[in-house]
Amino acid sequence: AQTVTQSQPEMSVQEAETVTLSCTYDTSESDYYLFWYKQPPSRQMILVIRQEAYKQQNATENRFSVNFQKAAKSFSLKISDSQLGDAAMYFCAYRSATGDGGATNKLIFGTGTLLAVQP
Amino acid sequence: DAGVTQSPTHLIKTRGQQVTLRCSPKSGHDTVSWYQQALGQGPQFIFQYYEEEERQRGNFPDRFSGHQFPNYSSELNVNALLLGDSALYLCASSLVGLPLGGELFFGEGSRLTVL
Repeated sequence: AQTVTQSQPEMSVQEAETVTLSCTYDTSESDYYLFWYKQPPSRQMILVIRQEAYKQQNATENRFSVNFQKAAKSFSLKISDSQLGDAAMYFCAYRSATGDGGATNKLIFGTGTLLAVQP
Repeated sequence: DAGVTQSPTHLIKTRGQQVTLRCSPKSGHDTVSWYQQALGQGPQFIFQYYEEEERQRGNFPDRFSGHQFPNYSSELNVNALLLGDSALYLCASSLVGLPLGGELFFGEGSRLTVL
């Protein structure tokens, strides 16, 4: 079974600085997807960035980028130029690519990292 | 374009009671998944519905059941409530046929408290 581990329960960053959130996972599959989701106090999960395991290039979305190390099974999220609106719970998630033709929406989540942004 | 909507937003039940939570998927989506998020934890997959059938199920007892209607909306039912069922229940929708890396859209959840 696949597992996702986030070892940082809480992190803090100064506004405009850079912060990196860690995530490791365990799987025997070779093809899968990894995600970072943001959950603000409104509770709605919002997709931040995704990575396809078969792509070596690290994904980037504006101020958000990942460091994907497939051999090490590591998937960290870097937030540059942190803003007050980035404060939230961040979850790392795994999705198998061997699902039933796209009919499987099972994500395996880590326990989350609560990010505080200091003005 | 309406996103995923869930109701009710909050509810309180007592042990042994039954509860029904509702979800309307994002417009154009045909697949609904349910997740349970206990306090301080990440969401855990309960099950997924597509074409009005349960397609995949997580490690949850039979007390958890669901339904999908022809308009793609869905219900989650929990019988014989336990204190441990207290959690935020999230609904997520997607469209079958999109790449598996496609985005799931989540609702804001239903906060269930069991006393």
